[in-house]
Amino acid sequence: SQQGEEDPQALSIQEGENATMNCSYKTSINNLQWYRQNSGRGLVHLILIRSNEREKHSGRLRVTLDTSKKSSSLLITASRAADTASYFCATQLSGNTPLVFGKGTRLSVIA
Amino acid sequence: DSGVTQTPKHLITATGQRVTLRCSPRSGDLSVYWYQQSLDQGLQFLIQYYNGEERAKGNILERFSAQQFPDLHSELNLSSLELGDSALYFCASSVAGSLPYEQYFGPGTRLTVT
Repeated sequence: SQQGEEDPQALSIQEGENATMNCSYKTSINNLQWYRQNSGRGLVHLILIRSNEREKHSGRLRVTLDTSKKSSSLLITASRAADTASYFCATQLSGNTPLVFGKGTRLSVIA
Repeated sequence: DSGVTQTPKHLITATGQRVTLRCSPRSGDLSVYWYQQSLDQGLQFLIQYYNGEERAKGNILERFSAQQFPDLHSELNLSSLELGDSALYFCASSVAGSLPYEQYFGPGTRLTVT
């Protein structure tokens, strides 16, 4: 069953704009991770944020986590056409356990 | 390249048949996970193995089974295939431990049941 729900389901922006995707989940978690998937290919890990962290940065990515609201957001700044992909949030109850994925946000960045 | 390999890349077979999907984890990773991705169900966890032992089970049908061998590669067996089993099957591996680690995904096997 899906733990997370991403919002929006699809997002279309111009190159250079920022893209924000949101994820909500239902149960207490150990950590939340974001993955990217290019059309029909394998998932690539982007960033991991632990339940005791509120914000994390990696290059053009910024992730926030609000455990009181059971929600997270992924911000991609200065987007590029190469950022076009589906983005998934995934929660983990503890280390070495399965990921529970949301349904994903399809991002299209138009050059 | 994640370091996780999966074979075959594509598989087309008929209903009622049986197939085996193979996964080799990243060097040193003891945990292997299998996920199914379909349009209607999204990404769903099927089963996890850790150092040869089954560790966790998700939404895996009784017609499906898996194992992890001493060299840590894993196989997912799907039998009595139905049209609804058509999906992308991913294998992922991770470092074992109590700390949270990312999972590294293979390129997937696209199964089409006709």
